[in-house]
Amino acid sequence: DTGVSQNPRHKITKRGQNVTFRCDPISEHNRLYWYRQTLGQGPEFLTYFQNEAQLEKSRLLSDRFSAERPKGSFSTLEIQRTEQGDSAMYLCASSRFGQGAGELFFGEGSRLTVL
Amino acid sequence: QQQVKQSPQSLIVQKGGISIINCAYENTAFDYFPWYQQFPGKGPALLIAIRPDVSEKKEGRFTISFNKSAKQFSLHIMDSQPGDSATYFCAATYSGGGADGLTFGKGTHLIIQP
Repeated sequence: DTGVSQNPRHKITKRGQNVTFRCDPISEHNRLYWYRQTLGQGPEFLTYFQNEAQLEKSRLLSDRFSAERPKGSFSTLEIQRTEQGDSAMYLCASSRFGQGAGELFFGEGSRLTVL
Repeated sequence: QQQVKQSPQSLIVQKGGISIINCAYENTAFDYFPWYQQFPGKGPALLIAIRPDVSEKKEGRFTISFNKSAKQFSLHIMDSQPGDSATYFCAATYSGGGADGLTFGKGTHLIIQP
């Protein structure tokens, strides 16, 4: 099953440290999305790539957050100088251009705990 | 401002019963309404979706009812089974728009009692 893969699945870090998450999308999907989900809430959009181009960023994505998708394949989401409020599940999703914007395939997420 | 409001927050249904989850949206530009199902420790998975040119869509035991004038849509799960126990999210988006058009509700935690 070649679904969306995310690593690491869990990350515990101390406040002020940097963390990086990786997402490997479904191979034929050229669109890749990052969402954040906190307990009791639905996923909130963070950013979106089409191939290697980052096309949209949410206002939720502060300057401490950066995402890349070199060569239009896997993507990384880095959080610098983590804060306790960054504790959440970070979800990656992918889709194929031509599918509806709502037909996303999500990974299992990377859970971040900031102490 | 929450653009998609979902209710109830939690729901307990007996096995074999009908589970009903409601959503209301504010932005009339939304034209695609998916429902996602999420099990603990997993990412959301697309369950069923509807466009506003139809009032109902059925896939197996899952039905979406859509009321464009009221800006409301609902998910009905017929003959609910314990395996349906999960969190359900409604969402709304622009089918021809960008990614940030996908707006989720806060979710409904559904428990099906055997």
